[in-house]
Amino acid sequence: GAVVSQHPSWVICKSGTSVKIECRSLDFQATTMFWYRQFPKQSLMLMATSNEGSKATYEQGVEKDKFLINHASLTLSTLTVTSAHPEDSSFYICSARAIDRVPDTQYFGPGTRLTVL
Amino acid sequence: AQKVTQAQTEISVVEKEDVTLDCVYETRDTTYYLFWYKQPPSGELVFLIRRNSFDEQNEISGRYSWNFQKSTSSFNFTITASQVVDSAVYFCALSGGYNFNKFYFGSGTKLNVKP
Repeated sequence: GAVVSQHPSWVICKSGTSVKIECRSLDFQATTMFWYRQFPKQSLMLMATSNEGSKATYEQGVEKDKFLINHASLTLSTLTVTSAHPEDSSFYICSARAIDRVPDTQYFGPGTRLTVL
Repeated sequence: AQKVTQAQTEISVVEKEDVTLDCVYETRDTTYYLFWYKQPPSGELVFLIRRNSFDEQNEISGRYSWNFQKSTSSFNFTITASQVVDSAVYFCALSGGYNFNKFYFGSGTKLNVKP
């Protein structure tokens, strides 16, 4: 397998503030990382695909200016929720594709629970 | 269109029972991949299996087995002799051959294994 970490694991912030979530591939290089959002008792929704050194590709309906994604290195992608509001409260999960691993699949981080007051 | 349907929202079994989680998919791709992931209460998704569309052989890994049938577009997952530690939400996912990066997840099946 492959290991992906996320930091922080949970965060509580006030409405209007920005929150940054980090996603790291610990034992492999990830040219492509993904950000998902999961509401309670629901499935994962892909928010964006993050490619190292280029702009992220956002899914339809996801606000680019609200959810800023930076993939500056082969092992780190960050998601910044700008001017967070209570409706942004959710479980955010990142994954990374490990193309040099068997199997070639997406490996998921442990998730970050965001609560906006 | 790509779609994954997990019709069973929640299943409860008693320990040592066998249980099958259903997954039905839709795709127009001739090459595609199917996956199962486990999400325990901690939240982290754990990879269980990947299957490509050209390999219809069933697979067994310990107490886990998977039945892939292209004729019915199904990729069902069976846990034999279930254990309390199997309690989790299980997701089936599909990715297309031309856009492997995009995963389409089913809605998940919550499995409760009672002692």
